[in-house]
Amino acid sequence: AQSVTQLGSHVSVSEGALVLLRCNYSSSVPPYLFWYVQYPNQGLQLLLKYTSAATLVKGINGFEAEFKKSETSFHLTKPSAHMRDAAEYFCAVSRNSGGYQKVTFGTGTKLQVIP
Amino acid sequence: NAGVTQTPKFQVLKTGQSMTLQCAQDMNHEYMSWYRQDPGMGLRLIHYSVGAGITDQGEVPNGYNVSRSTTEDFPLRLLSAAPSQTSVYFCASSYSGLAGGRYEQYFGPGTRLTVT
Repeated sequence: AQSVTQLGSHVSVSEGALVLLRCNYSSSVPPYLFWYVQYPNQGLQLLLKYTSAATLVKGINGFEAEFKKSETSFHLTKPSAHMRDAAEYFCAVSRNSGGYQKVTFGTGTKLQVIP
Repeated sequence: NAGVTQTPKFQVLKTGQSMTLQCAQDMNHEYMSWYRQDPGMGLRLIHYSVGAGITDQGEVPNGYNVSRSTTEDFPLRLLSAAPSQTSVYFCASSYSGLAGGRYEQYFGPGTRLTVT
């Protein structure tokens, strides 16, 4: 079985401050890990993904995440928050199930950016 | 490319009514999925398809049917709507290519369904 835990359903940061969104996973096999972002009233879009290449993954909009196997973590960071980063962020893990990549999503973290 | 499209954007149903949520993709992706999103629960997989004519159940399939007669379309049918099916529904597609982009999901804009 696989699961994802996102710590903190709501995170508030000041504009220009560091963004840190936490994600821990459990998986019986080496995982594929993803971060998706959802802006209000929109679908999800991929921020970045880890597929067993480099452990530090860079994504769009200045976000990056580091895969730490020893800590089973895949935290999302951005050095300096912008107002446009206000959205909900989902961590996800996938595993191969009969040729299909079954994805399990975390419960999401809403990021508020304070001017 | 339009990507993944969903219709309608909003729908209100009465308990017991049936309806079909439409989903189409123009990227020639093999895999398509339906999720529901509820506050505090993330996205949960309803049904998925690995190709035309092949579908399987996800985590929360009860009360929903799917079929996939073409690569492009993957409609979701609510057989007899219940208030517990009030949710936002997302369709997604993905592919198994060896190059970059493998396994990531491409999402539609969602359908907001209310059952009264």
